[in-house]
Amino acid sequence: ELKVEQNPLFLSMQEGKNYTIYCNYSTTSDRLYWYRQDPGKSLESLFVLLSNGAVKQEGRLMASLDTKARLSTLHITAAVHDLSATYFCAVDLRGSNYKLTFGKGTLLTVNP
Amino acid sequence: GAGVSQSPSNKVTEKGKDVELRCDPISGHTALYWYRQSLGQGLEFLIYFQGNSAPDKSGLPSDRFSAERTGGSVSTLTIQRTQQEDSAVYLCASTPTRGGLGETQYFGPGTRLLVL
Repeated sequence: ELKVEQNPLFLSMQEGKNYTIYCNYSTTSDRLYWYRQDPGKSLESLFVLLSNGAVKQEGRLMASLDTKARLSTLHITAAVHDLSATYFCAVDLRGSNYKLTFGKGTLLTVNP
Repeated sequence: GAGVSQSPSNKVTEKGKDVELRCDPISGHTALYWYRQSLGQGLEFLIYFQGNSAPDKSGLPSDRFSAERTGGSVSTLTIQRTQQEDSAVYLCASTPTRGGLGETQYFGPGTRLLVL
């Protein structure tokens, strides 16, 4: 059974600071997804990582994938309040109809 | 263009009643997924449709749950004899093809179901 673990589950940080969210998964996969969810809203796709060593950046967010370690990271640089949201990583498996298995999410609060 | 739409946005029902939740995927998307988001279980896969293929129902939690997809487009998730533990947000997602090759799943706004 595929398990996806995120940590931390709760993250409170000050504006301007850097931090990293970690996503570990239990079964070999080379596809990992990061989503953002604002309160009361649906999920918005941030990144799709498709191979070992993949790195993608958008604004203050950068995601990377290490398939050998079964680890993805979401790095936040110089956080701003607008980044406050819940961030989910998700993994799918070949042959599984590509259904996503999600982590429990990281609730990020960026304080002024 | 229009995204994935779901209706109703909120549904309150009494225990034991049946409910139907609707999903309109992005036009032209052939793969459609239903997920459930609850406080206790997080985000869970329920069912997957791809074209005319038999659906993958492996995530449905009980036989009270069923879904259909008519004409390869609109999908309806039906919960019979609702229980309080069915209270959750039901999310629908679609992808352009069969969902592989790292395609992004585009999520709808969800239906918030509350069973009293």
